[in-house]
Amino acid sequence: QKEVEQDPGPLSVPEGAIVSLNCTYSNSAFQYFMWYRQYSRKGPELLMYTYSSGNKEDGRFTAQVDKSSKYISLFIRDSQPSDSATYLCAIDTGRRALTFGSGTRLQVQP
Amino acid sequence: EADIYQTPRYLVIGTGKKITLECSQTMGHDKMYWYQQDPGMELHLIHYSYGVNSTEKGDLSSESTVSRIRTEHFPLTLESARPSHTSQYLCASSDRDRGSYGYTFGSGTRLTVV
Repeated sequence: QKEVEQDPGPLSVPEGAIVSLNCTYSNSAFQYFMWYRQYSRKGPELLMYTYSSGNKEDGRFTAQVDKSSKYISLFIRDSQPSDSATYLCAIDTGRRALTFGSGTRLQVQP
Repeated sequence: EADIYQTPRYLVIGTGKKITLECSQTMGHDKMYWYQQDPGMELHLIHYSYGVNSTEKGDLSSESTVSRIRTEHFPLTLESARPSHTSQYLCASSDRDRGSYGYTFGSGTRLTVV
């Protein structure tokens, strides 16, 4: 079983829509969760991180962790064409380095 | 602006050639990593380093090698490139004090072996 799984998409939405991106993880002991955004031909950049459970909000972005379901989500409100990118969830498993999901490709249509 | 630099950005090379992918960071980070990324696939850790003269293999078996002689420099070498090495290679670094979520990535090297 993979430690983190993510729907690869692609996900296409109209401008202004609310976007929900999700990952599931395997081990309830994991506590640090991150979302990275990767534009085409660029490296990933850290978007948000959360510790343990609950919500964290930053502008149009909200990260949510549901530890009982082992589910992490990223919500984007009022999505913009500039949000078109691949979004990767990442988990700190406590081992050598972060473990990444496969990424969800998002396209926001103007 | 990125503080971690990878060169070259794109490389097309013939089978059997030796290549070195360069990665340098100016942030003084102790930890550095190499990930391999194929389209639609997760990033796979191939090498990591926690400091000078410290290097370890990652989760994904790789025929590449790395060195860490200086804090800022973490090059990856393929002694004999093969078509199976065609992929995108991403270098990252992190600050021990900020924890693992402080990863900064370079823009990557897209390698094609023909």
